[in-house]
Amino acid sequence: DAGVTQSPTHLIKTRGQQVTLRCSPKSGHDTVSWYQQALGQGPQFIFQYYEEEERQRGNFPDRFSGHQFPNYSSELNVNALLLGDSALYLCASSPPGSGANVLTFGAGSRLTVL
Amino acid sequence: GQNIDQPTEMTATEGAIVQINCTYQTSGFNGLFWYQQHAGEAPTFLSYNVLDGLEEKGRFSSFLSRSKGYSYLLLKELQMKDSASYLCGSYNQGGKLIFGQGTELSVKP
Repeated sequence: DAGVTQSPTHLIKTRGQQVTLRCSPKSGHDTVSWYQQALGQGPQFIFQYYEEEERQRGNFPDRFSGHQFPNYSSELNVNALLLGDSALYLCASSPPGSGANVLTFGAGSRLTVL
Repeated sequence: GQNIDQPTEMTATEGAIVQINCTYQTSGFNGLFWYQQHAGEAPTFLSYNVLDGLEEKGRFSSFLSRSKGYSYLLLKELQMKDSASYLCGSYNQGGKLIFGQGTELSVKP
């Protein structure tokens, strides 16, 4: 049973460009959360998708947007890239049901902005 | 809102016991998570506390006091492989899990 898979694993972009990161949740999971993790810091919550809608959002500008597809996979889009967007982007999925659910994380996509 | 505070770094000796503290302020608090993250890898789940008290799971235990907004992770019989970052995360009723900055634990021989 595959866990959470993310692609690409590494990528390099230049300032002003746009990037799309992809995530396939663990089998049986329907909720996807995205996090940004700068070097030496904890993961910062970007947003969460459930039933193809953005359900929760952290303190990130509108340059960060996302999408969830009917098969529960998700994309994170970042426009007008800044040097400060360089980070590890983690996708985490969780199963159906109310209450606190354990998040399963993918290995992340490491973005470098030059 | 949600705010979490934990020490940035800790050092301990192989075979010893270490306690990593975490304080939190969370509106609509719905549980406290601990995750372990080795360098370059994904965070992995360690423990979840929603009621006050101590939860023991092998060498790892986690404690929660909701009235004090306080939790700790206790690691016993430390091994070199326990060197990692330990993330404290609070979960709110809206379904948002917010992490602290992480505590980088170094286990020395």
